[in-house]
Amino acid sequence: DTGVSQDPRHKITKRGQNVTFRCDPISEHNRLYWYRQTLGQGPEFLTYFQNEAQLEKSRLLSDRFSAERPKGSFSTLEIQRTEQGDSAMYLCASSFGRGLYNSPLHFGNGTRLTVT
Amino acid sequence: QKEVEQDPGPLSVPEGAIVSLNCTYSNSAFQYFMWYRQYSRKGPELLMYTYSSGNKEDGRFTAQVDKSSKYISLFIRDSQPSDSATYLCAAKTGTASKLTFGTGTRLQVTL
Repeated sequence: DTGVSQDPRHKITKRGQNVTFRCDPISEHNRLYWYRQTLGQGPEFLTYFQNEAQLEKSRLLSDRFSAERPKGSFSTLEIQRTEQGDSAMYLCASSFGRGLYNSPLHFGNGTRLTVT
Repeated sequence: QKEVEQDPGPLSVPEGAIVSLNCTYSNSAFQYFMWYRQYSRKGPELLMYTYSSGNKEDGRFTAQVDKSSKYISLFIRDSQPSDSATYLCAAKTGTASKLTFGTGTRLQVTL
């Protein structure tokens, strides 16, 4: 399967701990996105990369959140000092883009975070 | 007010029925419209991708966009129990890469 891969699938952590998630995009895709989805809501945009450059960050991405894509391939999303409100599904998506053209986004199956 | 509004449902229909799912949006700059299907504890799966106004058909699925009324629809013909899922509409402008999603409509197709 050459789809978007996310690891881990589930993460349970205690409040105040740091967590890190990984996303491996579709190999031909140069753009990578992070979204957050809470129960009963649609995905909300957090940030996106073109190659290794982080081009846009949402106001939802507080200082406790940091995302990287150091070699323009896989990406990591770290949450420091987790809070119960961080409990959500974290979705990664990828696409191919050049200039204004962007292919449709393809999503992974997400990492479900529970903060106790 | 959210930029993309969608009735959360749930919507329950018998097998074989025609399903109509709808969204409205407020941002006139949206040009690309998508429908995603999401099964429980899975990521969204792209179903339909359309540009501007008009219809697009793919098998049992038809997507319609009416930019004049800012209304987007997804029709599912001959619905099957395997169509039971949450359906998310999404939109983006011509210059943005990110998508703006509705809340999703939960569909249940019963035998």
